[in-house]
Amino acid sequence: NAGVTQTPKFQVLKTGQSMTLQCAQDMNHEYMSWYRQDPGMGLRLIHYSVGAGITDQGEVPNGYNVSRSTTEDFPLRLLSAAPSQTSVYFCASSYSPETGYEQYFGPGTRLTVT
Amino acid sequence: GQQLNQSPQSMFIQEGEDVSMNCTSSSIFNTWLWYKQDPGEGPVLLIALYKAGELTSNGRLTAQFGITRKDSFLNISASIPSDVGIYFCAGQNTNAGKSTFGDGTTLTVKP
Repeated sequence: NAGVTQTPKFQVLKTGQSMTLQCAQDMNHEYMSWYRQDPGMGLRLIHYSVGAGITDQGEVPNGYNVSRSTTEDFPLRLLSAAPSQTSVYFCASSYSPETGYEQYFGPGTRLTVT
Repeated sequence: GQQLNQSPQSMFIQEGEDVSMNCTSSSIFNTWLWYKQDPGEGPVLLIALYKAGELTSNGRLTAQFGITRKDSFLNISASIPSDVGIYFCAGQNTNAGKSTFGDGTTLTVKP
């Protein structure tokens, strides 16, 4: 059981470039979420999904797209990177009859936009 | 949107001391959560509280869900060096993986 995995661990982008942050979970969780964490702050919700094919916006969705075609994967796409998107990105998953509603976090992707 | 005020922002304590931190909100939550984050890692859930007034322990950690549903506190007893890290409170109103986080309390424990 790998839990929640995220790739890449580190990424540097130039302004205007696009990229996809990958997130996968092997716990058969229904819910998955993306958060960003800026220095000295808590996590802020970008997008979330309550099941395959269902996504919704969180607190800070602008500049990001998501899709959920399978239960396991929930990629986050940056459409045109901006320096304000420099942050640490965490993916989380939760809910199965076995684990309940506890939210499990991945190790994070550290993104720098120059 | 909903905001959580977490205090204190940082704490420097001696090993063996007890620690108390709290979280307040201007609006109610149905679930309060406390997480610990180590450097370079994602947050790890310490305690989850599901009912107003609930007091829950996990080893040396004790957390309470405030009666008004607008606050929660976390106590750590007899701190040890491995307690060092950032502690976050989070509130939820649905179970859909949507959490609102406080800005964290950074704990430093001096041996």
